[in-house]
Amino acid sequence: QLQLQESGPGLVKPSETLSLTCTVSGGSISSLYFWAWIRQPPGKGLEWIGSIHYNGNTYYNSSLQSRVTISVDTSKNQFSLRLTSVTAADTAVYYCARPHDTMPNVAGAFHMWGQGTMVTVSS
Amino acid sequence: EIVLTQSPATLSLSPGERATLSCRPSQSVSSYLAWYQQKPGQAPRLLIYDASNRASGIPARFSGSGSGTDFTLTISSLEPEDFAVYYCQQRRTWPLTFGGGTKVEIK
Repeated sequence: QLQLQESGPGLVKPSETLSLTCTVSGGSISSLYFWAWIRQPPGKGLEWIGSIHYNGNTYYNSSLQSRVTISVDTSKNQFSLRLTSVTAADTAVYYCARPHDTMPNVAGAFHMWGQGTMVTVSS
Repeated sequence: EIVLTQSPATLSLSPGERATLSCRPSQSVSSYLAWYQQKPGQAPRLLIYDASNRASGIPARFSGSGSGTDFTLTISSLEPEDFAVYYCQQRRTWPLTFGGGTKVEIK
């Protein structure tokens, strides 16, 4: 059974860099899917941050593109999110996710989700 | 970027009633639309993908329909556990986008 688990600091200071890792278990990150980061500010809706294929192809939300990097480490079966110059507006629950089994190599609908990790931006 | 407009923002219904939720993309997404359910403190759960396909384990009372720029999620008879927030999401083009959500609350 595929499982995803987010990890990283729960508190980040303004102007610093937010870094999170998603560890994949029960399956290989080298499978043919676009792995994603999605966030949700408190009391608000879902926002797609970006997606990465194990071969390194990436797509980003245009509103975050200048600050975001998503990378993959196949040796650790992990993928990571890096968001620079954070502000209070980046306070959110951050989820990692994988598309449905029927959606390899394409933009997907997200069937597998991590439990989410709350990141607060505050001094 | 494709904008998804969900309506209504809030739907107040009683258990046993039928719920009809709308999602309207700003341009055609063909059939590449998904629906999610989210309860407080939980990750979203995929209900419907590609407009009308139920994800595994999703009860038959949930159904999706539509194409292009007009989609509907129907819950045929609301169970107590169905009161939640529902989001639509398109995968027709990058960037992926979500709708603003519809809250289904107990009347």
